[in-house]
Amino acid sequence: TQLLEQSPQFLSIQEGENLTVYCNSSSVFSSLQWYRQEPGEGPVLLVTVVTGGEVKKLKRLTFQFGDARKDSSLHITAAQPGDTGLYLCAGVFTDRGSTLGRLYFGRGTQLTVWP
Amino acid sequence: DTEVTQTPKHLVMGMTNKKSLKCEQHMGHRAMYWYKQKAKKPPELMFVYSYEKLSINESVPSRFSPECPNSSLLNLHLHALQPEDSALYLCASSQDKLAGATYEQYFGPGTRLTVT
Repeated sequence: TQLLEQSPQFLSIQEGENLTVYCNSSSVFSSLQWYRQEPGEGPVLLVTVVTGGEVKKLKRLTFQFGDARKDSSLHITAAQPGDTGLYLCAGVFTDRGSTLGRLYFGRGTQLTVWP
Repeated sequence: DTEVTQTPKHLVMGMTNKKSLKCEQHMGHRAMYWYKQKAKKPPELMFVYSYEKLSINESVPSRFSPECPNSSLLNLHLHALQPEDSALYLCASSQDKLAGATYEQYFGPGTRLTVT
């Protein structure tokens, strides 16, 4: 069972276009993280959202966390070839009695931006 | 500094070999993780160590044996692997909840493992 549904799975666009990636769950997460991964490398943390309704910006990237903390989106404005990569959302659900927040990943969105 | 280092970067091993993957972090994190990742797929959790003790084993075959010698180091010992074990193996670390963390996990660059 996939706790996090991420869409679209693949996205191929031209330089300068805008795009949005969605991450949805039926569960409430204590926080949600977005990562970007290039081939052969580890995921790099882009942002963590914690508060329902929160909006964070990172240059041309805008991240939103839903009011109910069950969904999130990543919007890229004026995409560039350097944005190409695998984008992963990952939600944290706090196990009861545990000091760890297990990270549940979405399937990922493979973004290709053509010059 | 949010760096997690992993060695080696690449590893090719036969099905009868014994090898080890190494991971190190100096962020004072008390939780460390091993993940396996196939191409174009999300990472799959294998093991979690908390305060140097194994707290989660996601039903990983015994041919993978984790070890946490101290709070900064994490090893993954490999023995009698199968070709389907070929993948990118990622190490990650995070703060513990008691430190008021948001559970952000920081990943190393990974070890590309090929089993022949």
